[in-house]
Amino acid sequence: DGGITQSPKYLFRKEGQNVTLSCEQNLNHDAMYWYRQDPGQGLRLIYYSQIVNDFQKGDIAEGYSVSREKKESFPLTVTSAQKNPTAFYLCASSPREGSTDTQYFGPGTRLTVL
Amino acid sequence: QKEVEQNSGPLSVPEGAIASLNCTYSDRGSQSFFWYRQYSGKSPELIMSIYSNGDKEDGRFTAQLNKASQYVSLLIRDSQPSDSATYLCAVNEGFQKLVFGTGTRLLVSP
Repeated sequence: DGGITQSPKYLFRKEGQNVTLSCEQNLNHDAMYWYRQDPGQGLRLIYYSQIVNDFQKGDIAEGYSVSREKKESFPLTVTSAQKNPTAFYLCASSPREGSTDTQYFGPGTRLTVL
Repeated sequence: QKEVEQNSGPLSVPEGAIASLNCTYSDRGSQSFFWYRQYSGKSPELIMSIYSNGDKEDGRFTAQLNKASQYVSLLIRDSQPSDSATYLCAVNEGFQKLVFGTGTRLLVSP
């Protein structure tokens, strides 16, 4: 089955810890994205990558870092510098070729700071 | 900052009725528009995309786009309780980036 997987589904972090959220896709999509969703709010873009070994900051990149060493993988690290990391984190991907810019989402990771 | 506005709701409709969800956007140059459905605790699921003025139908769903007025709407015919969810409007802002509205919560009562 083709799709986007995120792990873990739930993650608990102590203050001062860095944690890494996994995102993998086997859709052969070029572009990948990380969003954050807080209760009652829309999705806010953290980072995005349109090609391997390249990525750009989104609207709320402070306190986060990413890497894109493989086309299939786009892990997100939530660092201790992120002051309010408790949120629902969504990874998405999009085919860059052709006319479509549709984004497809993984199941999400819910991060809670203890 | 480009904006996408949606009424947060909840929009309550009886089963079998037509639900009408609306979205306005600020960037007159936007070319791509999307509707996602998000059940509580789950990730967004794509329902419709629309690129041209007018209507686009897919089963019980119809997306309507009016670029001159900068609004896009989603009609759900024969609404079912399983349609109860939050509906997110998203607009392309260039470079394959989407701007999302905060969503409209739809409640369909049996």
